[in-house]
Amino acid sequence: SQKIEQNSEALNIQEGKTATLTCNYTNYSPAYLQWYRQDPGRGPVFLLLIRENEKEKRKERLKVTFDTTLKQSLFHITASQPADSATYLCALPSGSARQLTFGSGTQLTVLP
Amino acid sequence: NAGVTQTPKFRILKIGQSMTLQCAQDMNHNYMYWYRQDPGMGLKLIYYSVGAGITDKGEVPNGYNVSRSTTEDFPLRLELAAPSQTSVYFCASSYSRDQEQYFGPGTRLTVT
Repeated sequence: SQKIEQNSEALNIQEGKTATLTCNYTNYSPAYLQWYRQDPGRGPVFLLLIRENEKEKRKERLKVTFDTTLKQSLFHITASQPADSATYLCALPSGSARQLTFGSGTQLTVLP
Repeated sequence: NAGVTQTPKFRILKIGQSMTLQCAQDMNHNYMYWYRQDPGMGLKLIYYSVGAGITDKGEVPNGYNVSRSTTEDFPLRLELAAPSQTSVYFCASSYSRDQEQYFGPGTRLTVT
């Protein structure tokens, strides 16, 4: 099964800057990778899915990259706002049934 | 659409008691999942279902049981509650295996 590592448990950045979150995996490269946002006391909310043949994907202020050579995905939030403060989880399919395995998440705080 | 609903929101159980966590979705999704999330950790898959009448174990199934008699409902049963089952439980659904998952609001369970 996959082992997923997300960078430092907590990341603080200043409003207006770009936040960059890292997701590294250890075994075979998955067919796709997903990113979710989770607010305190709530369930995760899907943000983006990037497939192995896509180098980059964008959605409004969000950008995800997928480097199968480095076994890494980067998640960027440009022009960050305090409302972007949350925990961000990456997830990828693993095992014969391709069920999602989640990383432990990175808690992002955007300071006004 | 209500999306994915879970009841109850909170529950305190004594060791050895039993309970059922309810989950329902109104999106006609084939796939449904149960996860648990311990503080500071990622989501761990307990059980999943690919359709009515079909269920399978995830990463941490011990101490739990599930059933899927309809497309809409996927209850999770704890037979003999143990302190190790203190956690937040999330139910999720997706249209197919490789698509985004929609999560419910969670059930916070404490076993004392």
